[in-house]
Amino acid sequence: DAMVIQNPRYQVTQFGKPVTLSCSQTLNHNVMYWYQQKSSQAPKLLFHYYDKDFNNEADTPDNFQSRRPNTSFCFLDIRSPGRGDAAMYLCATSREGTDNSPLHFGNGTRLTVT
Amino acid sequence: GENVEQHPSTLSVQEGDSAVIKCTYSDSASNYFPWYKQELGKGPQLIIDIRSNVGEKKDQRIAVTLNKTAKHFSLHITETQPEDSAVYFCAAPRAAGNKLTFGGGTRVLVKP
Repeated sequence: DAMVIQNPRYQVTQFGKPVTLSCSQTLNHNVMYWYQQKSSQAPKLLFHYYDKDFNNEADTPDNFQSRRPNTSFCFLDIRSPGRGDAAMYLCATSREGTDNSPLHFGNGTRLTVT
Repeated sequence: GENVEQHPSTLSVQEGDSAVIKCTYSDSASNYFPWYKQELGKGPQLIIDIRSNVGEKKDQRIAVTLNKTAKHFSLHITETQPEDSAVYFCAAPRAAGNKLTFGGGTRVLVKP
């Protein structure tokens, strides 16, 4: 059974048109993460929530925002997508924010920007 | 910050042979080292991890070794099967907490 669910699996948006990617979890984990993964590269952390506390990575562009309305859901908003934002976006969870809590990834949303 | 380097970037092995992937890290304070397997069209899945208080850990055909002095750790897959074909990522935590820095990935192809 899928425990970290990302919708949609594939998303196409136009250059400059805002887009929202969704993630939900059935694990009741405290921490939710968003990673960006470009082709043949490692996942790169954009930001994470510990419960309701938002933590942004220093090099995450301002174009990327996130919302976590409750424990189960987390959203990634890209305000004005550029072609450089085309990538796989991975959501992950962990019970706690320590290395005693392995990451559980969803299967990602592949974003195309036309 | 943590810097994780992974080699090789691609690895082709014959079914039944062993595969070894190596990673080095920079932060001597790191004490947790997971390995993830990513199949085509899926998210990474944790396959094994090791903590700094042990030098080796095994789980069936998969083993991980850790050399804290040299700051490197390796993934060993024995008796490889076609379903082992995937991209493998090593990782190490950046500072305190669970913010992982991933290696660049190794694409493993097991030829029948």
